[in-house]
Amino acid sequence: DQQVKQNSPSLSVQEGRISILNCDYTNSMFDYFLWYKKYPAEGPTFLISISSIKDKNEDGRFTVFLNKSAKHLSLHIVPSQPGDSAVYFCAASAEYGNKLVFGAGTILRVKS
Amino acid sequence: GAGVSQSPSNKVTEKGKDVELRCDPISGHTALYWYRQSLGQGLEFLIYFQGNSAPDKSGLPSDRFSAERTGGSVSTLTIQRTQQEDSAVYLCASSLGGGTNSPLHFGNGTRLTVT
Repeated sequence: DQQVKQNSPSLSVQEGRISILNCDYTNSMFDYFLWYKKYPAEGPTFLISISSIKDKNEDGRFTVFLNKSAKHLSLHIVPSQPGDSAVYFCAASAEYGNKLVFGAGTILRVKS
Repeated sequence: GAGVSQSPSNKVTEKGKDVELRCDPISGHTALYWYRQSLGQGLEFLIYFQGNSAPDKSGLPSDRFSAERTGGSVSTLTIQRTQQEDSAVYLCASSLGGGTNSPLHFGNGTRLTVT
């Protein structure tokens, strides 16, 4: 029972272009959503989050969009840089940020 | 400052043996989590400690798995009678106090291989 799904295992983007990573969820009780970034042999690091009362949150090159009716969120990175190449995990919580449920991740490759 | 520290970074064990994985959270963080990531899978929640409250063990896959947190700081995850399906990267995370203003800070994980 995958409550958080990242249907694209990988994504390749040219440096300077926009990267769009997608995430779908099934649990309507989720009220808080996050994106984490993971480099090889390291733990995931927090990138950006959004509460269910918002539909957009922006932090520098990173913007997260939430569409509650479609149970869909996306992470936009613009402009993409080679250092953004990593695995990106979508996560959601129904308990104010506790007990995060993670997706399987999307490998992003930014080509220079 | 020091982040979340996990040891060992790699552990190879024979099927049927017990293993202990250690996590040192960030000082002052009251919430501590254990997750695991099997090959090609997302992070799977295992257990959650918050302050002095009873831990949330709802993610532990079997009674072979247990965890404790001593003195509200260091945590140990124990897997008894290991099986090959226990092979995964075990990740520990801590946060200031849980909740939306306290994102999780992860350690680099322990890669467990059961042969």
